[in-house]
Amino acid sequence: GQQLNQSPQSMFIQEGEDVSMNCTSSSIFNTWLWYKQDPGEGPVLLIALYKAGELTSNGRLTAQFGITRKDSFLNISASIPSDVGIYFCAGPVSGSRLTFGEGTQLTVNP
Amino acid sequence: EAQVTQNPRYLITVTGKKLTVTCSQNMNHEYMSWYRQDPGLGLRQIYYSMNVEVTDKGDVPEGYKVSRKEKRNFPLILESPSPNQTSLYFCASSPAGGNPDGYTFGSGTRLTVV
Repeated sequence: GQQLNQSPQSMFIQEGEDVSMNCTSSSIFNTWLWYKQDPGEGPVLLIALYKAGELTSNGRLTAQFGITRKDSFLNISASIPSDVGIYFCAGPVSGSRLTFGEGTQLTVNP
Repeated sequence: EAQVTQNPRYLITVTGKKLTVTCSQNMNHEYMSWYRQDPGLGLRQIYYSMNVEVTDKGDVPEGYKVSRKEKRNFPLILESPSPNQTSLYFCASSPAGGNPDGYTFGSGTRLTVV
């Protein structure tokens, strides 16, 4: 299937720091999605992006849809301990099918 | 409450012993899907279903079967489990043809095959 390359694979930060992660693809996507997975739970949608260049915020989270439509970025400002989890990017491949990146494991030290 | 329910949450089994992981959704969604999650590999799609009696292979279907006899249920069947199927499994559903942001995931099933 289509590949989404997500980086970094893991991050260890101090509470209060800002976080940035990104996702790239060799193919163009018309939608980019960012999910968060809390420990022991399924992924939950954080932000959906529908237009190239779009910048969307959800509280302390901001995501951008790259101009080339082949990448997307997620930033978390002023991290807190409950930001811990795995963050996934995703995009539609056909119809209702989604493909996911490898995930970024975020650890926040109090 | 709108949700996707998977059972069991945890399962330890032996190689070759057939097992079924159930998935049920109460949102009348047409589309349902199974993923497996492995460290460093993200979520990989196993099988999906666009509607009742319509199923298709995802990216990693080998060793798995599914069925979709009713709209709400989409069980995942491992006829002869092997240790390389030890993984965390997620079921998801969404309205067919809807926005890709309409996915709802279950809470996961952690399977260990010894």
